[in-house]
Amino acid sequence: SAVISQKPSRDICQRGTSLTIQCQVDSQVTMMFWYRQQPGQSLTLIATANQGSEATYESGFVIDKFPISRPNLTFSTLTVSNMSPEDSSIYLCSARQGPWETQYFGPGTRLLVL
Amino acid sequence: RKEVEQDPGPFNVPEGATVAFNCTYSNSASQSFFWYRQDCRKEPKLLMSVYSSGNEDGRFTAQLNRASQYISLLIRDSKLSDSATYLCVVTLPTDSWGKLQFGAGTQVVVTP
Repeated sequence: SAVISQKPSRDICQRGTSLTIQCQVDSQVTMMFWYRQQPGQSLTLIATANQGSEATYESGFVIDKFPISRPNLTFSTLTVSNMSPEDSSIYLCSARQGPWETQYFGPGTRLLVL
Repeated sequence: RKEVEQDPGPFNVPEGATVAFNCTYSNSASQSFFWYRQDCRKEPKLLMSVYSSGNEDGRFTAQLNRASQYISLLIRDSKLSDSATYLCVVTLPTDSWGKLQFGAGTQVVVTP
């Protein structure tokens, strides 16, 4: 199975600032994703990180707020821009791997915006 | 209406007992079905895929009912370590790559 790491694991930020979350996969993967999970809620897909092209965003999420980079097949970043308390959440990186395209998740980044 | 709905629980289960719970999905064209497990403050991990004929993995049995649009998970001989939130996951036929749609989860608490 894919091993996915994220940095930072948690952070407390002031409103109006930006935070970049890094995601590293231990092997090359075609598809990487970014999710958000708020307490007691299901996972919500923010965007698909495409290697070599712009990310594909889901309804309700825009590039200006959540810019994503995918420079290669093992790494991606998500930036949460101009943060507000409503952005406080867990942000999870995910990747598909293997013959069955199983989807694996990173440990998540816990963000608290004051 | 949510795409995937689950009873949030909690289901309080004595150790050694059997617990079962369902998940309903709204899109009849949904293609693939999974159960993920999420421990407190951890990431979701794939527990098992759900096949049309139903499938078993040790103490866990998953069933799919396409006519009624639900999947189920049954846990036999519950262990304390089975305490977790179980996420029902469905792939939507909107894209070729099959976007995952998550339920909010069913909490299971196994007690000694």
